Amino acid sequence: EADIYQTPRYLVIGTGKKITLECSQTMGHDKMYWYQQDPGMELHLIHYSYGVNSTEKGDLSSESTVSRIRTEHFPLTLESARPSHTSQYLCASRSSSGQGNEQFFGPGTRLTVL
Amino acid sequence: QQQVKQSPQSLIVQKGGISIINCAYENTAFDYFPWYQQFPGKGPALLIAIRPDVSEKKEGRFTISFNKSAKQFSLHIMDSQPGDSATYFCAASVGRAGSYQLTFGKGTKLSVIP
Repeated sequence: EADIYQTPRYLVIGTGKKITLECSQTMGHDKMYWYQQDPGMELHLIHYSYGVNSTEKGDLSSESTVSRIRTEHFPLTLESARPSHTSQYLCASRSSSGQGNEQFFGPGTRLTVL
Repeated sequence: QQQVKQSPQSLIVQKGGISIINCAYENTAFDYFPWYQQFPGKGPALLIAIRPDVSEKKEGRFTISFNKSAKQFSLHIMDSQPGDSATYFCAASVGRAGSYQLTFGKGTKLSVIP
């Protein structure tokens, strides 16, 4: 089944730890995105990729980094987590083909940094 | 500077009533206007979308009204049901001439009471 997956769904971690949030999609989409969303608030784009070996920073400044080595995989890494990184992180993807602009979202990872 | 302004922040509607959520935008280059629905613990899912060459689009109980001159668009949910209770986000993007990145409104939390 074509879908977009995020792991872990929930993560509670101590300050200073390195973390990687995983995102994978099975739809063959070339464009992928990471958004940050605080509870009850809007989504802010923090990273995007238009294909393998392509990554760009989004509108919201973030200390996280991303990589795109495979089309289906777009992990996000925080080298040293801080309480200010506590948020929900949403991954999305879309196809370049056709007229559709629809972005498909994963279920999100809720990160809490103590 | 917020490019997409959404109102109201929260909305309570009785079952069977009409829910109306409004959005206004500033960037005249926007050419794709989707509405996303998000349930707690889930990622946003595309509900309905419109392009500026039409003034209205209807899909089932959901209708987008678009006013290009006023730079406003709205979502109407007819015969609102308790299952419609969710957070709704309007968004906008620049398509063909741009990067298809979505700019989101702050969201409206809709509660439909029996």
